[in-house]
Amino acid sequence: DARVTQTPRHKVTEMGQEVTMRCQPILGHNTVFWYRQTMMQGLELLAYFRNRAPLDDSGMPKDRFSAEMPDATLATLKIQPSEPRDSAVYFCASGSNSGPQYFGPGTRLTVL
Amino acid sequence: SQQGEEDPQALSIQEGENATMNCSYKTSINNLQWYRQNSGRGLVHLILIRSNEREKHSGRLRVTLDTSKKSSSLLITASRAADTASYFCATDATGNTGKLIFGQGTTLQVKP
Repeated sequence: DARVTQTPRHKVTEMGQEVTMRCQPILGHNTVFWYRQTMMQGLELLAYFRNRAPLDDSGMPKDRFSAEMPDATLATLKIQPSEPRDSAVYFCASGSNSGPQYFGPGTRLTVL
Repeated sequence: SQQGEEDPQALSIQEGENATMNCSYKTSINNLQWYRQNSGRGLVHLILIRSNEREKHSGRLRVTLDTSKKSSSLLITASRAADTASYFCATDATGNTGKLIFGQGTTLQVKP
């Protein structure tokens, strides 16, 4: 049963520290998405890739966030430096073109 | 701005009753998708309806799409306590090539 995996599942860090979240998309999917979910803002698209190339990262604060796909089996989202307002659940999802998206379990980030 | 807006924001029903959730959107779309999210989990894809389709069924789920009114509805028949979750509509706008815009969701509680 193919699934999107994310690590870590939980992360507590202090303001100013670097945070790296990792995602392994489902093999064969050509599109990978990063979302952030908070009670106030709901689900926000941060960035997405197709065939490992970034297509849209307009939802991402550029000064502190960066997203990459070093290879087809790994996507990373990095925050440096982290701030308390970054506290949220970060989801990775993968899919093919305009079909369904398959979400990972999320990384719950708390920045103190 | 939000592409998909769900209504109602919250819904509480008794087991066995039907639940109807509505979604409105603003731009022309390739397809509209419905997702479920259980507390603390990632989103799970339920059903996809294309812009040239008017109705689709999957088990106890029935989705309708009215592109002239830019609206969709999700009907869950014979609800169960296990259907308790948040439900989101998401639109794949024309030309966006797979990028989904999610609404704020409807929180459904099914009482046993």
